[in-house]
Amino acid sequence: GQQLNQSPQSMFIQEGEDVSMNCTSSSIFNTWLWYKQDPGEGPVLLIALYKAGELTSNGRLTAQFGITRKDSFLNISASIPSDVGIYFCAGQRINYGGGADGLTFGKGTHLIIQP
Amino acid sequence: GAVVSQHPSWVICKSGTSVKIECRSLDFQATTMFWYRQFPKQSLMLMATSNEGSKATYEQGVEKDKFLINHASLTLSTLTVTSAHPEDSSFYICSAPGTTHTYEQYFGPGTRLTVT
Repeated sequence: GQQLNQSPQSMFIQEGEDVSMNCTSSSIFNTWLWYKQDPGEGPVLLIALYKAGELTSNGRLTAQFGITRKDSFLNISASIPSDVGIYFCAGQRINYGGGADGLTFGKGTHLIIQP
Repeated sequence: GAVVSQHPSWVICKSGTSVKIECRSLDFQATTMFWYRQFPKQSLMLMATSNEGSKATYEQGVEKDKFLINHASLTLSTLTVTSAHPEDSSFYICSAPGTTHTYEQYFGPGTRLTVT
């Protein structure tokens, strides 16, 4: 199945630093979502984006939906130890039937924070 | 909030046997649920869409006769891995759309399947 191009694959940063990751796709999505997954658990929704160009914040997290509908980025400011984990972007296809559709995921960004 | 549970959280079975995994929406109803599979250190891959009261739709390359899906009620979808083999060992995760924003999906905690 299709996967989104997510980068970087991993990041080693110092506590307090800002983090930036992004996703690109060859296809258009009408919704972009960002999730965090801890080992052995299901993904937890961080931010959802619905409109091209939309910029949304959730605490120290900020995400934007690209104008072309083919990309998105996630920024984390002032990282803390609990930010450690794997971050996934996910795009949702346009469903003209009006219902929800399955998600296409990026390959993930593994965030490691050094105290 | 939209809470999704799965049972069991982990299961070990012998090759050739079948295993059933349950996915429940605890505080909301879900006419649609989704099943994903995640191999170690990889991303989530959509397997199928579970539709309440009708047949599931499967993604390309997923064997519908091997991965049986039943969405018998508005709060329960089940995935049965039939005649399991070691290569079916994976992390199976379900999700359901939220009720406020149907484009937001909430995931269960996952089920770790190990086939010996």
